[in-house]
Amino acid sequence: SQQGEEDPQALSIQEGENATMNCSYKTSINNLQWYRQNSGRGLVHLILIRSNEREKHSGRLRVTLDTSKKSSSLLITASRAADTASYFCATSGNQFYFGTGTSLTVIP
Amino acid sequence: NAGVTQTPKFRVLKTGQSMTLLCAQDMNHEYMYWYRQDPGMGLRLIHYSVGEGTTAKGEVPDGYNVSRLKKQNFLLGLESAAPSQTSVYFCATVLGLATNEQFFGPGTRLTVL
Repeated sequence: SQQGEEDPQALSIQEGENATMNCSYKTSINNLQWYRQNSGRGLVHLILIRSNEREKHSGRLRVTLDTSKKSSSLLITASRAADTASYFCATSGNQFYFGTGTSLTVIP
Repeated sequence: NAGVTQTPKFRVLKTGQSMTLLCAQDMNHEYMYWYRQDPGMGLRLIHYSVGEGTTAKGEVPDGYNVSRLKKQNFLLGLESAAPSQTSVYFCATVLGLATNEQFFGPGTRLTVL
């Protein structure tokens, strides 16, 4: 079974709005990562947050981690049409476990 | 640097045929992974390798075999393809567990008829 589950499965917003995606996982983790996948492409690493961190920023991305609730959120601020993609969370040890992804559509 | 490359990009097989997918990396990464991605299923780990000469099973290893004879290459084999193996296959590499960032190849789209 997969470790991570994203919510919502699909999200559609207007350009300029913020997009929030959530990830829940099942067991203890060393870190949690978020990846982006454009249609027909491989995944690209966005950001990693370690289990002892609660929040991390990278440009327009903000990731939070709540290990007590086994959940993480990814916030994309001031979205752009180019942010349209699928977003996956992944937890890792020796193996990586990916969620089913959130499909984000940003309407110009 | 080419990063992570996958060969071939597309392939159509008939049931029962065999094939090998090649993943090559020029980043000197220790860890390599093979995933399959199916609609609504996310990525599922097939096999992985923590170094040259080593392989291990992932979440969905049945029907696949792998080899890591050289550090830069990770081969995924299908001995007798089945329609259930129709999928997009991705290879990924990681420098080491301390960094944990995965670098993905562009994918191989496989159809088994």
